[in-house]
Amino acid sequence: KNEVEQSPQNLTAQEGEFITINCSYSVGISALHWLQQHPGGGIVSLFMLSSGKKKHGRLIATINIQEKHSSLHITASHPRDSAVYICAVSGSARQLTFGSGTQLTVLP
Amino acid sequence: EAGVAQSPRYKIIEKRQSVAFWCNPISGHATLYWYQQILGQGPKLLIQFQNNGVVDDSQLPKDRFSAERLKGVDSTLKIQPAKLEDSAVYLCASSLIFIRRRGEGNSPLHFGNGTRLTVT
Repeated sequence: KNEVEQSPQNLTAQEGEFITINCSYSVGISALHWLQQHPGGGIVSLFMLSSGKKKHGRLIATINIQEKHSSLHITASHPRDSAVYICAVSGSARQLTFGSGTQLTVLP
Repeated sequence: EAGVAQSPRYKIIEKRQSVAFWCNPISGHATLYWYQQILGQGPKLLIQFQNNGVVDDSQLPKDRFSAERLKGVDSTLKIQPAKLEDSAVYLCASSLIFIRRRGEGNSPLHFGNGTRLTVT
């Protein structure tokens, strides 16, 4: 079993829809990262959080430490949000463990 | 601020050849990571440097891969000789400092655009 599980693997939405991507992890962590990877490989760090909730523009990230679960929400989705969204956790071994990513496609 | 710089952007080589990748992290970032990302998978850590010292290289295939960060700034990753299964995107990332404290997160990561390696 992977230490970091993301769902769904693929998600197609219509422009304007509210989107949720989920991440579950099985190890103790010190922080959880949400990353965005566009075609071509470049990765951008969206959020780093260890508790509660963070908001940046149309993006919201939440984490529940007790349930070992995090969600990334995108409100009023837009085609430019199309990308791979990756969840990664920083554990006790000081490594980052990555999920396999969620491919999001937002159709106009 | 300037981002993490990587070069080359793309590289095509034949198996058994050698290849080197270069990364220049954000100025002042003590921690530098090299990741290998195979198509359809999340990145896998190859090596982590703190300044010029190696923190973790447990997943680095040391028979063919090597990395150095001699002056604690830029870094090179080398593969010699390359195999077909080394075809992947090689990502470099940096962070200000990696601190593990209870209840606190770590410094945000900044990634380069990666080097896409194709081994034929």
